[in-house]
Amino acid sequence: KQEVTQIPAALSVPEGENLVLNCSFTDSAIYNLQWFRQDPGKGLTSLLLIQSSQREQTSGRLNASLDKSSGRSTLYIAASQPGDSATYLCAVYSGGGADGLTFGKGTHLIIQP
Amino acid sequence: DGGITQSPKYLFRKEGQNVTLSCEQNLNHDAMYWYRQDPGQGLRLIYYSQIVNDFQKGDIAEGYSVSREKKESFPLTVTSAQKNPTAFYLCASTQANTIYFGEGSWLTVV
Repeated sequence: KQEVTQIPAALSVPEGENLVLNCSFTDSAIYNLQWFRQDPGKGLTSLLLIQSSQREQTSGRLNASLDKSSGRSTLYIAASQPGDSATYLCAVYSGGGADGLTFGKGTHLIIQP
Repeated sequence: DGGITQSPKYLFRKEGQNVTLSCEQNLNHDAMYWYRQDPGQGLRLIYYSQIVNDFQKGDIAEGYSVSREKKESFPLTVTSAQKNPTAFYLCASTQANTIYFGEGSWLTVV
């Protein structure tokens, strides 16, 4: 069964720093990987979706990479801002229908002003 | 605007009560899902439905029930058989490779 691990569980950095969030998965046979943002008490907002054939996706200050063979993905946030403070979750889709989507527990990010 | 609407946002349940969480979408998506999220934990799948009048159990279906009588609606009932129902509940729908989430509902047992 697919397992998704996110490290670190929590991270606090000063405003303006570049930072990297990590996501690893145990079964490399995936269709895609998705990064989400979750604000406290809110639902999930999709940030980036990387198909298994892709190496990276970019949106504004966010860049996500995927190394399927090693079971790893990183989310790079450039020039962090206090508004980036949230929990970031990654999820992998391994196929087989709706129950093929596996979420990590998330990284709780705090950007200090 | 298109989206997923969950209600109520906050709900309190007494011991032995059944409660129903509403999920409505106007995205015209076929597939809908219910997830449970506990503090500091990932999302766990409760039930999902790929099409009207059909639904499947997820990883933690015990103590929950659903119906899918209309494409746009997928209500979740938390029954008295669910021994630890206090959690954040998220409804979602998908089209192609993209999943969309509602704003969630907090359920607390009092």
